[in-house]
Amino acid sequence: DAKTTQPTSMDCAEGRAANLPCNHSTISGNEYVYWYRQIHSQGPQYIIHGLKNNETNEMASLIITEDRKSSTLILPHATLRDTAVYYCIVIPDTGNQFYFGTGTSLTVIP
Amino acid sequence: GAVVSQHPSRVICKSGTSVKIECRSLDFQATTMFWYRQFPKQSLMLMATSNEGSKATYEQGVEKDKFLINHASLTLSTLTVTSAHPEDSSFYICSARDIRGQGFGGYTFGSGTRLTVV
Repeated sequence: DAKTTQPTSMDCAEGRAANLPCNHSTISGNEYVYWYRQIHSQGPQYIIHGLKNNETNEMASLIITEDRKSSTLILPHATLRDTAVYYCIVIPDTGNQFYFGTGTSLTVIP
Repeated sequence: GAVVSQHPSRVICKSGTSVKIECRSLDFQATTMFWYRQFPKQSLMLMATSNEGSKATYEQGVEKDKFLINHASLTLSTLTVTSAHPEDSSFYICSARDIRGQGFGGYTFGSGTRLTVV
């Protein structure tokens, strides 16, 4: 079962930063936090993942709290093409369990 | 980056027939692949986890005799929907995990297969 909770939906103005929160209060020490997004009728796209340190790549930044019980995905300058459902997923190091929660539907508004 | 190819992208079949969906990792090896089903406006639901060379592990409520999974090589897994019925119509998606582990970009998903049973 999914071990994360996310808001159902969010709006963000185009060009502004989109901050998507995720709660994973029961995360274990060997579990990673992954973020994916799914645009309608396509397969999920990998965004970023981390264990305990903050991470940044060309798509986004991932901020993980010190107690690891929550995280925030940041899209620094949202565009219309970032409109999608964003999933936060907790995966153990063994990688044999991969359950999706309900995700956050992000709408970027012109 | 890592690419997973899933075929076919769309298929329409008659009720009672079987349909095979292929999932290939193109530029990496995958010991573990996952199969999901997604109904409209819902999240992805894990159906089964397949490991190369061994039997798949099915989630509770998923019929193993109806959804046959074969993971015969490190780059190919197949899902066969046997004796398909209209209620099996859905979006099926596969995912592959790089054999090298967590440090190599996570789990890569195919583009999905839209199955319609008429």
